[in-house]
Amino acid sequence: DGGITQSPKYLFRKEGQNVTLSCEQNLNHDAMYWYRQDPGQGLRLIYYSQIVNDFQKGDIAEGYSVSREKKESFPLTVTSAQKNPTAFYLCASSISGPQHFGDGTRLSIL
Amino acid sequence: AQSVTQLDSQVPVFEEAPVELRCNYSSSVSVYLFWYVQYPNQGLQLLLKYLSGSTLVESINGFEAEFNKSQTSFHLRKPSVHISDTAEYFCAVRGVADKLIFGTGTRLQVFP
Repeated sequence: DGGITQSPKYLFRKEGQNVTLSCEQNLNHDAMYWYRQDPGQGLRLIYYSQIVNDFQKGDIAEGYSVSREKKESFPLTVTSAQKNPTAFYLCASSISGPQHFGDGTRLSIL
Repeated sequence: AQSVTQLDSQVPVFEEAPVELRCNYSSSVSVYLFWYVQYPNQGLQLLLKYLSGSTLVESINGFEAEFNKSQTSFHLRKPSVHISDTAEYFCAVRGVADKLIFGTGTRLQVFP
């Protein structure tokens, strides 16, 4: 079945550590997106990519980095510069229409 | 700039009662609107969308929303809710590069 797979489902980060969240899609979608979800704040866009080897900052990109080396994959790295990383992270993809979402990764601080 | 306002953060309702979740938007370009539903610890699922054509759009599980251009609204309604409808609901408007601008969400709590 086609869809978006995010892993891991739960992730813990130590102080000063970088962690990478995986997002893979087999929908053949060109565009991919990363959102951060905090209680009461809805979803905020971190980064997005419309084609391979190209990506743009969203509204809250500071402390995060991404790469888009393959159409199917759009990993997000939460760097040590992100001082408040505890949140639910959602990956999405689209092709000229509604976005399709993965099941999310919940990141917490140890 | 585009924006979405969901006027109610929480809506409690009894089972089999009608419900309306309100959404107002601001957009200076062609308007494409969406409602998504999120169950606990899951991603967002598309509930319904307005791209063009009929201003009343329906989902397969009994929800409907009406696009009202003069009132810049896209309220979500259901005539009779079930316990299983308990979830968080997000309204969104599409921006440039297919980016979505989300409202802050409305938590629908259905009581028996």
